[in-house]
This record gives sequence, structure tokens and C-alpha cells, in this order.
Amino acid sequence: GAGVSQSPSNKVTEKGKDVELRCDPISGHTALYWYRQSLGQGLEFLIYFQGNSAPDKSGLPSDRFSAERTGGSVSTLTIQRTQQEDSAVYLCASSSLTSGGPTDTQYFGPGTRLTVL
Amino acid sequence: DAKTTQPNSMESNEEEPVHLPCNHSTISGTDYIHWYRQLPSQGPEYVIHGLTSNVNNRMASLAIAEDRKSSTLILHRATLRDAAVYYCILRDVLRGDDKIIFGKGTRLHILP
Repeated sequence: GAGVSQSPSNKVTEKGKDVELRCDPISGHTALYWYRQSLGQGLEFLIYFQGNSAPDKSGLPSDRFSAERTGGSVSTLTIQRTQQEDSAVYLCASSSLTSGGPTDTQYFGPGTRLTVL
Repeated sequence: DAKTTQPNSMESNEEEPVHLPCNHSTISGTDYIHWYRQLPSQGPEYVIHGLTSNVNNRMASLAIAEDRKSSTLILHRATLRDAAVYYCILRDVLRGDDKIIFGKGTRLHILP
């Protein structure tokens, strides 16, 4: 079946502009996550949505970052007034949480490479 | 969160077994041991997970020490496609959320 998809695959923007990154999770998956990976760095958790619960925003680096998930499916990560340090690959993942918590597999999308000039 | 320690990089010859070590000396009784890998220019993908007993699947085997303070991911016959960064991760069943805390991982190089 279809995996997690993300768009665009690449985004180049100028410093100070706003960007929106989209994630389409696997159909039926109730949990959705955003991570980012800066050049040569490990993956950093940003935000987590689970069903109708309030999202876990503990990983968002600043108030310029926000995310929403409409209808329990598609999610959009918005970065306002982008800075050069926001340049990274932004990865989305989803899981079904059928067996509960730490035994559930997260399925990752291919990522969006964001470059802020 | 309990922390894991992995070598920064390893090399192996193609078609030979690879043993990727992970130390997690502060592991708690409710921590599951997971392995993910990230192929070049791709998102991470799940490899295997376990709690106490050794586990096998089509991709790899996971050997867990009796005291659970270390584990080893075993690729039985490495191919060039197995060149990736391998992440050893602990996930606590009691934490109540599902986010993954990734470390630096081990970059595995496969020599033809």
C-alpha cells in the first residue's frame, strides 16, 4: 500500500519568508510525528499528534514553528519568518498504535529538504 | 530517557555478517530496544525490536544480553544496500507517548 508521502520534496526560500510543508500519513494511522535532520546531525523530534488529543509540541524549537493536523489525516508544518538555521530535512512519520506505545513501528516519509538562503 | 551508546562508524565486507553493538547500561525494565536504519537520502525505516529475548526477522536478528545492558544487531550477510546509519533506540512503555529520541547512530560502510 501507499506509504507516507511528503511535499514538496525540495523547497528553497529566502530568509524571512514563511513556508508550509505537507505530510500525508498512511491511511488509518492515528499517530503522526514531525522530525527534522540538519546536515550531518541526528534526527530531532518536533511535534506529535495522536488522535484527538492535544499535540505534544515539546520539540518545536521556537514559536515560529507550528503544525496542524486536519481531520485526523493530513498535517502541515509551518515555519514563519524562516532563518538560515532552519535549513534541514523535515521528516514526517506515522504509526497505527495498534499494540500500544513503544512496540508500534513508525513509518517515515522521504522528507522535505528545506534550504533557506 | 535511558541513553544508548553506539560506535560512530563501522566497516564490513560484502556478503559477510555484521554485528552492530549498542550499550544501554541505564535501561529500565519497561524499555523496549528498537533498531531503525536510514539509507542515504531516505527517511529512517524500522528494522527490529525486542524486550528480553533474542528476536529474528527477515531483515536482521537482535541479540539482547541477559542483563539487558547491551544488545547487538546482526545482519547475517551484508549487501551494499545495507550501507546506512543504524540507530539503537530505547522506548519506554510507561512514558505514555510514542516519539522516538534518536541518537547519532552507527554509520555502516559496506566494502565490495
